[in-house]
Amino acid sequence: GAVVSQHPSWVICKSGTSVKIECRSLDFQATTMFWYRQFPKQSLMLMATSNEGSKATYEQGVEKDKFLINHASLTLSTLTVTSAHPEDSSFYICSAHSPTSGKQETQYFGPGTRLLVL
Amino acid sequence: LAKTTQPISMDSYEGQEVNITCSHNNIATNDYITWYQQFPSQGPRFIIQGYKTKVTNEVASLFIPADRKSSTLSLPRVSLSDTAVYYCLVPRDTGRRALTFGSGTRLQVQP
Repeated sequence: GAVVSQHPSWVICKSGTSVKIECRSLDFQATTMFWYRQFPKQSLMLMATSNEGSKATYEQGVEKDKFLINHASLTLSTLTVTSAHPEDSSFYICSAHSPTSGKQETQYFGPGTRLLVL
Repeated sequence: LAKTTQPISMDSYEGQEVNITCSHNNIATNDYITWYQQFPSQGPRFIIQGYKTKVTNEVASLFIPADRKSSTLSLPRVSLSDTAVYYCLVPRDTGRRALTFGSGTRLQVQP
């Protein structure tokens, strides 16, 4: 299957600082990527849809000024957590659609980034 | 808005076949059903995708009845390493590509 990578895999930062997480599609181009957040023992929650060359679409309740998304190329989307606070500590996962020869695109997920805000 | 319902948890033993059924009563005509596996602290891993009848790959089989209101993921001869959370997904909205994750099914395989 298609490969999606994330960097870093984990990060610890101080409260008030900003953290950038990268999501890359390694062997395919992705015009759309998605960012999810997952708290312990819970399911993934969609945060936003990242569109190459245009503004991201945020889900209800997700602050766009706090979670900055940039999709500058067909293989890279970044999520920046600005002025991070301990409640932002979570597991952040990105995904991208890989075109298939079948009838519907398949979404592939990155390995996730563990963020701990002290 | 498509929504899926799965059992919260299931237990099995090594070597057994496990069937996890998911209901998706409001699935749209053109939507496919996709199943993912997730281990702790990892991103979901694609298992299988189907539209109707039966799909089989080297990992699992997916059975979809004619009305497509449900689907069953079948894992043959599970091992301890199959202990994970399994998610059944359909597109969030018709025409949108985002996926809405339900609670998933936590499968525990015992020796």
